[in-house]
Amino acid sequence: DIVMTQSPDSLAVSLGERATINCRSSQSVLYSSNNKNYLAWYQQKPGQPPKLLISWASTRESGVPDRISGSGSGTDFTLTISSLQAEDVAVYYCQQHYGSPTFGQGTKVEIK
Amino acid sequence: EVQLVESGGGLVQPGGSLRLSCAASGFTLSNYGMNWVRQTPVKGLEWISYISNTGGTIYYADSVKGRFTISRDYAKNSLYLIMNSLRIEDTALYYCVRDVCGGSSCFYDSWGQGTQVAVSS
Repeated sequence: DIVMTQSPDSLAVSLGERATINCRSSQSVLYSSNNKNYLAWYQQKPGQPPKLLISWASTRESGVPDRISGSGSGTDFTLTISSLQAEDVAVYYCQQHYGSPTFGQGTKVEIK
Repeated sequence: EVQLVESGGGLVQPGGSLRLSCAASGFTLSNYGMNWVRQTPVKGLEWISYISNTGGTIYYADSVKGRFTISRDYAKNSLYLIMNSLRIEDTALYYCVRDVCGGSSCFYDSWGQGTQVAVSS
């Protein structure tokens, strides 16, 4: 299985500041035939199921604020919240679907 | 509005069985691949099974292969997971999850609220 490793495990950011979450896969999740990265990002708030934010590493889902963005390719990916808002407090997960789907361990984002 | 409502969880002894159900509304289940994903505080999120929109393609994680069976009922617009030979490590919150892609498990745009399964003697 492809192992997904996120860093850091948690971070505290001041309101309005940038939050950056990293995700590394144990092997490339870039499918060469279509040049797509098989990588998604989710947000999970307490007591709720995960919510899809980003697909194909950088495609924002409908309704997701544009302060949230995804980037990266191959084995290294980043989720960026450009200006942290109170409603962004959550745990964020990356997930690959290049092989049998696997998730990162999660990164908890809090307000400093 | 898309809704997925799981049921059937509960407390069961090791070696026992459970049948989870997922009632879908707001969309036609036969148009989508569906998955079961489970979550624990220790292991996090774990994909465990996928069934294609036609039911012709089914995948399982190695951790449940041979013990769990996924199925769907088009008439009832429902998804099921039959879990046999349950182990303590199967204790988790089980989510019914809608797949975006066709053909294989991909990423997931709709999740139920989950049903809790506890395996304990």
